[in-house]
Amino acid sequence: GQQLNQSPQSMFIQEGEDVSMNCTSSSIFNTWLWYKQDPGEGPVLLIALYKAGELTSNGRLTAQFGITRKDSFLNISASIPSDVGIYFCAGLNYGGSQGNLIFGKGTKLSVKP
Amino acid sequence: DAGVTQSPTHLIKTRGQQVTLRCSPKSGHDTVSWYQQALGQGPQFIFQYYEEEERQRGNFPDRFSGHQFPNYSSELNVNALLLGDSALYLCASSSRGLGYTFGSGTRLTVV
Repeated sequence: GQQLNQSPQSMFIQEGEDVSMNCTSSSIFNTWLWYKQDPGEGPVLLIALYKAGELTSNGRLTAQFGITRKDSFLNISASIPSDVGIYFCAGLNYGGSQGNLIFGKGTKLSVKP
Repeated sequence: DAGVTQSPTHLIKTRGQQVTLRCSPKSGHDTVSWYQQALGQGPQFIFQYYEEEERQRGNFPDRFSGHQFPNYSSELNVNALLLGDSALYLCASSSRGLGYTFGSGTRLTVV
């Protein structure tokens, strides 16, 4: 099935560091979503973006909807241990009472040994 | 306010058997979507139900079928199970394209 290009695939973080990840697509979307998934759980919505160029923050998290509508990025500032997990981007085109999420493969955040 | 609830949480089935997974959407949501998540991958869209009808379907065979009830809850049925059907099955509810909320999933193992 179709998946978005999400990078990096994995990264190690040290407490206090800033983290960046991004997502690109060959298709345009009218909504971009960022989720975090912990082991054994479903994805939890972090940030939703609805307009090209939109920059939205949720605490230490900031995400932007690319102006081409084909990309988005997520930044985490001053990382803490509980930021560890897998982050997914998802694109959505909704219309006519239908629309499904297309996900990236995820970015796995782990703590530096 | 209860979020999306899925049952069962874990399930082990034998090849060739049939399975039914259940989902209750978040209060106020009328649309239910089902996703399959293989290990190390992002969720893949199976189908979406709205007004008790299948509105959209992903690239999954007819062995995968579903239903939505008048109270908006939904079932996912998989017939003739294959080993490759082993995955985490996620249900997401939404309303008018907004508020996509996922349940914790059902972990299906086919042996």
